[in-house]
Amino acid sequence: DIRMTQSPSSLSASVGDRLIITCRASQSISSYLNWYQQKPGKAPNLLIYAASSLQSGVPSRFSGSGSGTDFTLTISSLQPEDFATYYCQQSYSTPVTFGQGTKVEIK
Amino acid sequence: EVQLVESGGGLVQPGGSLRLSCAASGFTFRSYWIHWVRQPPGKGLVWVSRINGDGSSTDYADSVKGRFTISRDNAKYTLYLQMDSLRAEDTAVYYCARVSAYSYGFDYWGQGTLVTVSS
Repeated sequence: DIRMTQSPSSLSASVGDRLIITCRASQSISSYLNWYQQKPGKAPNLLIYAASSLQSGVPSRFSGSGSGTDFTLTISSLQPEDFATYYCQQSYSTPVTFGQGTKVEIK
Repeated sequence: EVQLVESGGGLVQPGGSLRLSCAASGFTFRSYWIHWVRQPPGKGLVWVSRINGDGSSTDYADSVKGRFTISRDNAKYTLYLQMDSLRAEDTAVYYCARVSAYSYGFDYWGQGTLVTVSS
């Protein structure tokens, strides 16, 4: 199985901050990497697919980059509604695997 | 509007069985792979199983292989997860999720249904 490791596991940030979350795969997954946002009590929401493509309806302050084993999710200017938990997920091979999550809290 | 609505969760004793359903609408159900993903209380997302559009291909996580069975009824636009020999560690919110037609991301999710395995 491909192991996905996110860092950090949690962070505190302020509105307006630029945020970077990293995700590392245990082997190359090309660009088969997706990012999700999840708020408490809600289902995850797809933000970025194929490492860098913005899902329809997602604000442009979200962006993704990377290929192979190292990926990043960037939020250019954190908004109040962005405080949530973020997960990366590889869709390169079965079983599908997720990172452990990064919880973004208000400083 | 695309919708996925899970049902069938509840409290079950260890060793018991439960069948989850995921009712789909707003898209051509038979054209999509659908997955089950679960989330134990306070923890992260864990993939469970998947099925292709016509139901001829299925895969399972090792942790549920031999105990869970995924299936679908395309005429009823419904996905199922039959869960047998349930264990305490199967306690989680279970989500069904659709795989996007143009990427491999999960572009639509249901609201989730809670399964609690406890005596």
